[in-house]
Amino acid sequence: GQQVMQIPQYQHVQEGEDFTTYCNSSTTLSNIQWYKQRPGGHPVFLIQLVKSGEVKKQKRLTFQFGEAKKNSSLHITATQTTDVGTYFCAGRLSSNTGKLIFGQGTTLQVKP
Amino acid sequence: DAEITQSPRHKITETGRQVTLACHQTWNHNNMFWYRQDLGHGLRLIHYSYGVQDTNKGEVSDGYSVSRSNTEDLPLTLESAASSQTSVYFCASSPGGLGGYNEQFFGPGTRLTVL
Repeated sequence: GQQVMQIPQYQHVQEGEDFTTYCNSSTTLSNIQWYKQRPGGHPVFLIQLVKSGEVKKQKRLTFQFGEAKKNSSLHITATQTTDVGTYFCAGRLSSNTGKLIFGQGTTLQVKP
Repeated sequence: DAEITQSPRHKITETGRQVTLACHQTWNHNNMFWYRQDLGHGLRLIHYSYGVQDTNKGEVSDGYSVSRSNTEDLPLTLESAASSQTSVYFCASSPGGLGGYNEQFFGPGTRLTVL
């Protein structure tokens, strides 16, 4: 079936270092969303990308959607301890479905 | 304030028992989803619904069932609990009818242990 692969599974960084997580789909996506889950919490929506090649920024977070709409990335500049958590990408195969296919997630640890 | 709640938050049960996890949202969202979260697998879709009387199977639906008798609730039933169903279960909802570009709002989760 359709899959969304996300790497790396874990990342440990020193506070102030940059962090990137990558998401790849086996099929073209209609759009992609990103969620953050704090330890012990539930996933919370961060952003949605719809257009081919789209780039969106939220303060220190930069989200990209690939030209072929099959891959995406989340880059955090100068990580802070508040960035700790698991980041999930979630792809939607078509605009006619409400279903999302979630990647396995990348868990970020930040050492102060 | 509108919200999405799950109950119970923690549940321990025995193999073979029937278990029902509740999910209730007050946003009047049409779409509701059940996921399970296990280490290394992310969030996997169990069942989903686009409205009252509508239910659909997700990628890991075996051993689970749902019913949608009103807009607010989508209870998840484990017909005969198995140890492989030990997991954290999340309910989510999103506005709109079929599809759309809407975000999903997640409940706080239910941690289920099957002994």
